[in-house]
Order: sequence, then C-alpha cells, then structure tokens
Amino acid sequence: AQKITQTQPGMFVQEKEAVTLDCTYDTSDQSYGLFWYKQPSSGEMIFLIYQGSYDEQNATEGRYSLNFQKARKSANLVISASQLGDSAMYFCAMRESSGGSNYKLTFGKGTLLTVNP
Amino acid sequence: NAGVMQNPRHLVRRRGQEARLRCSPMKGHSHVYWYRQLPEEGLKFMVYLQKENIIDESGMPKERFSAEFPKEGPSILRIQQVVRGDSAAYFCASSPDGTGGAGANVLTFGAGSRLTVL
Repeated sequence: AQKITQTQPGMFVQEKEAVTLDCTYDTSDQSYGLFWYKQPSSGEMIFLIYQGSYDEQNATEGRYSLNFQKARKSANLVISASQLGDSAMYFCAMRESSGGSNYKLTFGKGTLLTVNP
Repeated sequence: NAGVMQNPRHLVRRRGQEARLRCSPMKGHSHVYWYRQLPEEGLKFMVYLQKENIIDESGMPKERFSAEFPKEGPSILRIQQVVRGDSAAYFCASSPDGTGGAGANVLTFGAGSRLTVL
C-alpha cells in the first residue's frame, strides 16, 4: 500500500477562489509529521506547511491551511484566494518516527494545480 | 545567508559517461540528504550523509551510484556509466541535526540538478 496517496493528478481553480488538494496517508506510527511542498515549473521544492501528529489545531500559514483529520488519515491542503502564481505541482509528504529513520520523507505523486484568470 | 546550493542545475551526459552532482548545505547544517525525482513522480529518498559518514544509503541503487560528504567541500552524488533510466531531477536537502528537521523544523531543499542521459 502506498504511504502517501494524492488522488488528484490535476486540479483547476478560478483565480481568487479556494481550492482543496487531497492527501491521505498510511502509517502505524503514533508520532509522525506531514508536510506540503510546492514545486513551480522552475523546479525547486518550496516548503509550505507542516502538521505534527500530536498537534491539536490545524496548521495555518498565510493563505495555506492544512485540514488534518487524524482518524481518517487525511491531511488536505487548502489554498484560499488562489493567485496565478499558485499554479504548480503540490506534493504531500510524511515523516515517520519508527525504525530509527525519522529523517526520511515519503512523498506522494503530486497534484498539478492550474489557476485560471 | 545562502540556502542549499546545487550544481550543475542541468547536466547532459551520453550513455556510459559519469555524472557528478554537487551539493553545498546551508551554513551550519552538517546533515545532507539526496532525493531523486523521476518524471511525473514524487521525490524518493536515496541517501543520508554526515561529514565523512554515510548514515543510510538504503535508497541508493546497488550499482553505479555512490555518495560522499567529505570533511571539506560539498557533498557529491556520483553516477557511473549512466543509462537513460538515470534521467531525473536529483535534489539535495540539509538539516542542522539528524532528524531531518525535528518537529516543525523542515528539510531545506536545493533547486535540484536535472540530469539528462542521451
């Protein structure tokens, strides 16, 4: 089974609207971290937001928020007030704490977001 | 305060040649991680190094690939006798400690090196 599943290969959103990018994960660890990264067409990986498994509140960073539903093992990224510059690939990633390798990130396959003017 | 620096950004090699990718971590970071991104895929862990030590190379292909992080100078990812399947983006990340960024601390990625094998 995949550890990180992003079911939306591509998403379209109208400028200024909100969009939700889905991410579900699979782990038996109690302690883990979830990340979202943005990869624009230029190729660099840009950190957006982090959620720890023990964090009680959903993480927020400016226009980004993470809708963390622990029981459902989902960590959806919500982008409010979309901008043209938000067009990019978005990757969900997880860091587990077991096995002594808590430095590894496991990435999903990504969602390509296109913001239309 | 430069971030993670990778070079070259783009590298073209013919089959059978060698590719060397370099990574200088952020100032103050002594832990380096290499990830590979195949076309239309997410990043996959390759190797974790500290200065002069390979800590975890479980994601490295068994042959032709090697990595080092010498006492002085950048970390090097070396691919010998490249094949077309090695064409990918290779990302380096660094952290100040060995947890890959504890808690909310995150890995800082470089801009990647894109290898094309003809």
